[in-house]
Amino acid sequence: NAGVMQNPRHLVRRRGQEARLRCSPMKGHSHVYWYRQLPEEGLKFMVYLQKENIIDESGMPKERFSAEFPKEGPSILRIQQVVRGDSAAYFCASSPNGGQGSYEQYFGPGTRLTVT
Amino acid sequence: DQQVKQNSPSLSVQEGRISILNCDYTNSMFDYFLWYKKYPAEGPTFLISISSIKDKNEDGRFTVFLNKSAKHLSLHIVPSQPGDSAVYFCAAIFTGGGNKLTFGTGTQLKVEL
Repeated sequence: NAGVMQNPRHLVRRRGQEARLRCSPMKGHSHVYWYRQLPEEGLKFMVYLQKENIIDESGMPKERFSAEFPKEGPSILRIQQVVRGDSAAYFCASSPNGGQGSYEQYFGPGTRLTVT
Repeated sequence: DQQVKQNSPSLSVQEGRISILNCDYTNSMFDYFLWYKKYPAEGPTFLISISSIKDKNEDGRFTVFLNKSAKHLSLHIVPSQPGDSAVYFCAAIFTGGGNKLTFGTGTQLKVEL
């Protein structure tokens, strides 16, 4: 029973390039969440998606960041024109439903983005 | 504005003894709480959770206590084992406001032989 898959595990980009981070949720899970962990900090919520819908993007920076979860395929977090401050660990989590009594989210191993 | 706080960045405990990790929150709307364990270069692993309608939840060596009036929760690990050495995050949800987890900054637990 595969867990949440994220790739790549490590990504190096130069300033100004684009970064694409992919996440495949656990089998049977239809809800995906993205979190970012900056050095020496806790995880911060970015966005919550269901298939083809963005439910909550209150944690997303207003510019350069976007996320999608298409009907087929993984969820994608896209960062355009990366800057050094985007260097962080990006974690994806999934859940089987949108709460309804059980609110546990299961995390992938993360993508470590380094902007040079 | 840190709504979930873990004021002890690190804790050292001897093997076999009890580990107590603490967490405080400021947002009274939070009504569900979770603890995660995280090893370096891995994602957080869910440990145990508690709803605000309860004051205790137990699962094996792990027990979570919730004191709503004090806006405080704690995770007890008994007995502590060397494999428990990791960073522990507490997280909170306002279930009526979506599913986003608000995390504390973590406590590094070291269990010594």
